[in-house]
Amino acid sequence: DTGVSQNPRHKITKRGQNVTFRCDPISEHNRLYWYRQTLGQGPEFLTYFQNEAQLEKSRLLSDRFSAERPKGSFSTLEIQRTEQGDSAMYLCASSPWTGEGGYTFGSGTRLTVV
Amino acid sequence: AQSVTQLDSQVPVFEEAPVELRCNYSSSVSVYLFWYVQYPNQGLQLLLKYLSGSTLVKGINGFEAEFNKSQTSFHLRKPSVHISDTAEYFCAVSLNAGNNRKLIWGLGTSLAVNP
Repeated sequence: DTGVSQNPRHKITKRGQNVTFRCDPISEHNRLYWYRQTLGQGPEFLTYFQNEAQLEKSRLLSDRFSAERPKGSFSTLEIQRTEQGDSAMYLCASSPWTGEGGYTFGSGTRLTVV
Repeated sequence: AQSVTQLDSQVPVFEEAPVELRCNYSSSVSVYLFWYVQYPNQGLQLLLKYLSGSTLVKGINGFEAEFNKSQTSFHLRKPSVHISDTAEYFCAVSLNAGNNRKLIWGLGTSLAVNP
């Protein structure tokens, strides 16, 4: 098991473009979370999945953001019509169903919108 | 609703000195408590967690934390720090009942260990 994998590590995009990030969780973990982190801040919850079902979305997740986990394995986070305010580190984490042990995080995808 | 307050945004300390990073939480229901560490340009790594039982919890890299229910605190300590401990440290809580295991985070404490 190689842990939680996120791709790409870095993404620079022009304002208005669409971007998609991928997260591969630990294989036996059925919960998957997306967080966003800006400089000097703690992570902000975006959304989470239990298997393929998206159980909660934050108010932070505007209609330009969409996340999927079609087969209950990997997940994608898409941002449409990117804005400079979307520049942040996007973190993915996974956990077993109980979640008591805390999450295992990936290394994140750093998005820069120019 | 739950909230987490990390009382110090920055903690400078000399190498081999002891350190305490403070965390207080607010919740009307029981919670699980966590400390994570984040090195520059990296994801978050779990240092330790409190779920139940003994209030003194030992984690990786020589860190420990004590859960104090009456003071709603979960302070992180290390008796002797190393340069390599320089990082951002985050305290977090989640509900310990129901289906939601979403983490609520503090703003982080930046630990700078100086030679």
